Amino acid sequence: SSELTQDPAVSVALGQTVRITCQGDSLRSYYASWYQQKPGQAPVLVIYGKNNRPSGIPDRFSGSSSGNTASLTITGAQAEDEADYYCNSRDSSGNHLDHVFGTGTKVTVL
Amino acid sequence: QVQLVQSGAEVKKPGASVKVSCKASGYTFTSYDINWVRQATGQGLEWMGWMNPNSGNTGYAQKFQGRVTMTRNTSISTAYMELSSLRSEDTAVYYCARRRGAAAGTWNWFDPWGQGTLVTVSS
Repeated sequence: SSELTQDPAVSVALGQTVRITCQGDSLRSYYASWYQQKPGQAPVLVIYGKNNRPSGIPDRFSGSSSGNTASLTITGAQAEDEADYYCNSRDSSGNHLDHVFGTGTKVTVL
Repeated sequence: QVQLVQSGAEVKKPGASVKVSCKASGYTFTSYDINWVRQATGQGLEWMGWMNPNSGNTGYAQKFQGRVTMTRNTSISTAYMELSSLRSEDTAVYYCARRRGAAAGTWNWFDPWGQGTLVTVSS
């Protein structure tokens, strides 16, 4: 199956911008979706498709993609954005109906 | 509102099976696949498989083939995930999630998620 690789941890100063990346071969064929997970809570969808936000997700969250890399950008990070973030896409190797999650990135807001 | 509500925590002995339920509300249950994802303590998300509530068709991650069974009861809008031959490494929070986007399309996403069910495997 495919793998999606993320940096384990990043930090950002309050109000500044942080980009979280997700790399993998499957991203050449499929868009990533992004999930925010706070301690003890279920993941929450923040970005899907080319750059779509579900209702209720602040517009400081945006997504982009190029080649084998998808990115989630938080512009003007807030304290409540401190969380783990995971990317996900369909698997381009083997069974294309399978899905794969990224390794996760812990975002710390300083 | 669209919601998935899962069954409560379970404690099982090694070698036993566990069956977790996921009750859907606020939408037509048979219109969207249900996927299952697990997360061991302090670890990342791990995709387990999917089930089409309309047809009953399923697809499982290779890692779980032969040990996992995903089923549904459409009359009560509930999906189930059963994992057998449990071992300590199966101790995790198990989530169900509704998959959006065409199954064979270029963009899929999971929304919403259930609240999670903690399964503890211990002798």
